[in-house]
Amino acid sequence: EAGVTQSPTHLIKTRGQQVTLRCSPISGHTSVYWYQQALGLGLQFLLWYDEGEERNRGNFPPRFSGRQFPNYSSELNVNALELEDSALYLCASSEDRDYGYTFGSGTRLTVV
Amino acid sequence: AQSVSQHNHHVILSEAASLELGCNYSYGGTVNLFWYVQYPGQHLQLLLKYFSGDPLVKGIKGFEAEFIKSKFSFNLRKPSVQWSDTAEYFCAVSFYGGSQGNLIFGKGTKLSVKP
Repeated sequence: EAGVTQSPTHLIKTRGQQVTLRCSPISGHTSVYWYQQALGLGLQFLLWYDEGEERNRGNFPPRFSGRQFPNYSSELNVNALELEDSALYLCASSEDRDYGYTFGSGTRLTVV
Repeated sequence: AQSVSQHNHHVILSEAASLELGCNYSYGGTVNLFWYVQYPGQHLQLLLKYFSGDPLVKGIKGFEAEFIKSKFSFNLRKPSVQWSDTAEYFCAVSFYGGSQGNLIFGKGTKLSVKP
């Protein structure tokens, strides 16, 4: 079974630019979660999508947004990039939110 | 607000030493509990999980964890660590049926095992 796949693996952007990260969940998983893993801060919850709808978002500004497509894949968009957005962005999927997630390898975003 | 605390930021052990990593959460309701591991350069992997039943849970690679409801704790243990256990360990809690609908992670504990 293919795992959760994320693209690209690495990205370098300039302050003020916009970026789109992509995630394909495990087949059969309808929920997709996005987390930010910044140095020393652990995993911070960003967004949860299920069945094409945004179900919840974490404590991040509106310039972090996303969507989920009918095939359950998802995009995370970050506008007006700031230096502190530099982090590993992790996508996870699950069949049922209470039973744990399977994570992708992440996208390493560096903002210069 | 629900939260998860991991008290040790960095633990350094010699091979064959015993390991215990602490994890506490703040919530009085039903929870599902997880430990994830992130080896250097690799993605997060599930070590073990607890939903119900026997509070002593065994996971992969010789790890186990004990759920103590009265202490809101889910500590991770291994009797004898190996150099290959060097990694970052994350405790995570799903607050069952909660509105957040997401796993809440602790900040992680970095384990360094000296050969």
